[in-house]
Order: sequence, then C-alpha cells, then structure tokens
Amino acid sequence: DGGITQSPKYLFRKEGQNVTLSCEQNLNHDAMYWYRQDPGQGLRLIYYSQIVNDFQKGDIAEGYSVSREKKESFPLTVTSAQKNPTAFYLCASSLPRGTDYGYTFGSGTRLTVV
Amino acid sequence: KNEVEQSPQNLTAQEGEFITINCSYSVGISALHWLQQHPGGGIVSLFMLSSGKKKHGRLIATINIQEKHSSLHITASHPRDSAVYICAIGILTGGGNKLTFGTGTQLKVEL
Repeated sequence: DGGITQSPKYLFRKEGQNVTLSCEQNLNHDAMYWYRQDPGQGLRLIYYSQIVNDFQKGDIAEGYSVSREKKESFPLTVTSAQKNPTAFYLCASSLPRGTDYGYTFGSGTRLTVV
Repeated sequence: KNEVEQSPQNLTAQEGEFITINCSYSVGISALHWLQQHPGGGIVSLFMLSSGKKKHGRLIATINIQEKHSSLHITASHPRDSAVYICAIGILTGGGNKLTFGTGTQLKVEL
C-alpha cells in the first residue's frame, strides 16, 4: 500500500547535537512538507518542496534544514541552532501544485532533546 | 486572531450521541480539510471539501463558502471515535498547497 513512512517514531538527543528525521513516500507525490506540532497549537509549516532539488522555507524554518535529492525522500535536520527542538514532527505529501488532492500525512516523529 | 478557529476545544459525549465540531476561517480558501489525530500522533485525512457536503460512514462534513464555516458531524458516536479532530484550510499561493491548521477539538466518547 502507498503511504508515508517516518522514522524513528521516538528520538532522543542531547542538546547541541544535530539530528535528522526521515520521511519517505511511495505515492509518487511531487510535493512534500514538514510540520511541527506543539501542545495547544496548530501544526506549523517548517519547510516544503514542490519538486526534486527545490525547497522553500515555511513559517518556522529557523534552525532547520532539508534536502530533496529524490522524489521519494525529504529528510529534515534539526540543528543545534533550533532553540526549542522538542516537539512532534509530521511529514506530509500531496499531488502537484495547483490542487489539494491526495494530501497524506505520516505517523510522526516525537523528538525529545535533553 | 488565528485564520482558523475551531469549537469546542474539548468535547465529551456519551456513546450514541450526535456530535458536531465547528470550524470558521477568515480568508479565501481552495479547500478545507478535516483530519483525525489519534493518541499515537499519526494524522488521517477524513475529508477535503471545496463546497457542499460529503459523507463517509457515520461522518458528515459540510461547508458554507459564503459564511466561511464548516462543520464535522459524527452520528451514533462510539468510543473508538475518541481522537483530536483538526480543521485545516488550503490556500493556493505561489508556493503551492500549504495548509493552515486549527488547534483541534479533543473528543472523548464514553460508554
């Protein structure tokens, strides 16, 4: 079955370390997104990519970096510059620009920085 | 003011009750999504609406574009419906199909 795989489900890191969250999709979607969820707040957009080798900053990109070398993969790196990295991170994908059809979410990664 | 407002924030119902969750938004949209998030955190897309009404099983979603308002109804509620229900609006921009999310409605259905 097609879908989005995020790994790992839970991740613990020491303060000051970079960490990379994986997101893989086999839906043949062109667009991919990273969202962050904090308690009591709606999901907020970190980065998105509409096509391979291209990506744009979202609303809260500071302290994060991404790459899109393959259509299927959109890894997110949480750098030591991110002031408050402990959160729930969700990856999503959708069909091409100009339509909302097929918006699909992964199961998320819960990152805890100690 | 958030672009997407949901009400209520929390809702407790008895099994079998009819449930309504509301979503209001303040900007023009391309579509509105209703999403379900279970305690494990993963999100499932329930509906995408740009007009009218959609039904899937015991779930019904409606949207009034003129009033910028949508409702999600659950008929004959069951404890397995307990989850967070999230409204999100799609806004077409030069940057593609980004969604703006409400803060969610925590639903608990009791036996």
